[in-house]
Amino acid sequence: DTAVSQTPKYLVTQMGNDKSIKCEQNLGHDTMYWYKQDSKKFLKIMFSYNNKELIINETVPNRFSPKSPDKAHLNLHINSLELGDSAVYFCASSQRQGRDQPQHFGDGTRLSIL
Amino acid sequence: GENVEQHPSTLSVQEGDSAVIKCTYSDSASNYFPWYKQELGKRPQLIIDIRSNVGEKKDQRIAVTLNKTAKHFSLHITETQPEDSAVYFCAASGAAGNKLTFGGGTRVLVKP
Repeated sequence: DTAVSQTPKYLVTQMGNDKSIKCEQNLGHDTMYWYKQDSKKFLKIMFSYNNKELIINETVPNRFSPKSPDKAHLNLHINSLELGDSAVYFCASSQRQGRDQPQHFGDGTRLSIL
Repeated sequence: GENVEQHPSTLSVQEGDSAVIKCTYSDSASNYFPWYKQELGKRPQLIIDIRSNVGEKKDQRIAVTLNKTAKHFSLHITETQPEDSAVYFCAASGAAGNKLTFGGGTRVLVKP
């Protein structure tokens, strides 16, 4: 039983397309996150939601739009994909909001832009 | 905001030896310091964490130490095994932004 699950695992698409990544957690956590891991393995937070409300919005192009229909789901929609968007995107969750909360990661979505 | 530096970027050790990874952070208000292990093609997995009211924490072959005065913390792996080979990330929770900031990662290779 995967605690934080993401779909799809792999996403290969062309520049200019729009795509979505879905994330679900079955841990009963209140807070969810999106991270981007680039080719050099650097992990950087993009967004965080607590109980469906946006609480962290890093300097991310507005082509990226997160949506949280309920506290167990956090999806990421990306418009007009660019080459630089190629990366692994990780969803994570924590029991509650707070900078001292352990975060649990999903298996990642590898996005490749042709 | 918080800045986390991690060293070394790569570490090669012989099986059975110890491995030490060091991180420094900039925000003296940081109060939570987790360590993650990421195997090739897999997710980052929390292996141990320490809070600012504790100086050391141990879990079997791994231990973490924290020096708040110097603003650095370290991961120690003893009796390394080939399955310890992975990329390890430290992180710190700065007061600004209510978020974790990750170090750049250390690629550990344990040679049999």
